[in-house]
Amino acid sequence: SQQGEEDPQALSIQEGENATMNCSYKTSINNLQWYRQNSGRGLVHLILIRSNEREKHSGRLRVTLDTSKKSSSLLITASRAADTASYFCATDGETSGSRLTFGEGTQLTVNP
Amino acid sequence: EPEVTQTPSHQVTQMGQEVILRCVPISNHLYFYWYRQILGQKVEFLVSFYNNEISEKSEIFDDQFSVERPDGSNFTLKIRSTKLEDSAMYFCASRTQSAGVGELFFGEGSRLTVL
Repeated sequence: SQQGEEDPQALSIQEGENATMNCSYKTSINNLQWYRQNSGRGLVHLILIRSNEREKHSGRLRVTLDTSKKSSSLLITASRAADTASYFCATDGETSGSRLTFGEGTQLTVNP
Repeated sequence: EPEVTQTPSHQVTQMGQEVILRCVPISNHLYFYWYRQILGQKVEFLVSFYNNEISEKSEIFDDQFSVERPDGSNFTLKIRSTKLEDSAMYFCASRTQSAGVGELFFGEGSRLTVL
């Protein structure tokens, strides 16, 4: 089964800076999603990008998808301390049925 | 806003005991999931459930695990004989039917500690 792998594993920035997280995967996908998880809490859906899309925006979030490189990036602009969380990419593969497969995650710390 | 609710939030059990984790998915959702997350690790798929049957399961979901939707609202995960390595956060999720796997709505999780 495919696996999403995020990098960096951990990222520490100052409030106001931009944060970029990357995700790579191994097999063909229908779509790719990004989720956020605050410590000890459930996952919250942020954004979904379909395999025929290259870029998508939602508020301060910008997601890109490069299917030729099997990679995606999540950009958070003008970060805030409240953005501190773990961020996971998740893929819905063409052959993976009904499951979403999550990556290892990036732990983002935004310092005030 | 509708949400997925899970109970208990934390359960401590002895190795070998049976555990049932409960979930109430969002009412108009059709697909239901269990995922687990061992502390500090990635979120791992266990099982998906649709139309009153398992649609997909992972290699983690062995004979010790079972799922049930007994009354049209609750969705339960049972672990028959817990092992130490079952200690993890278990997340329930649900979604509407869509082309491909769309947005999953997750509960806050049930933390299982096996002693």
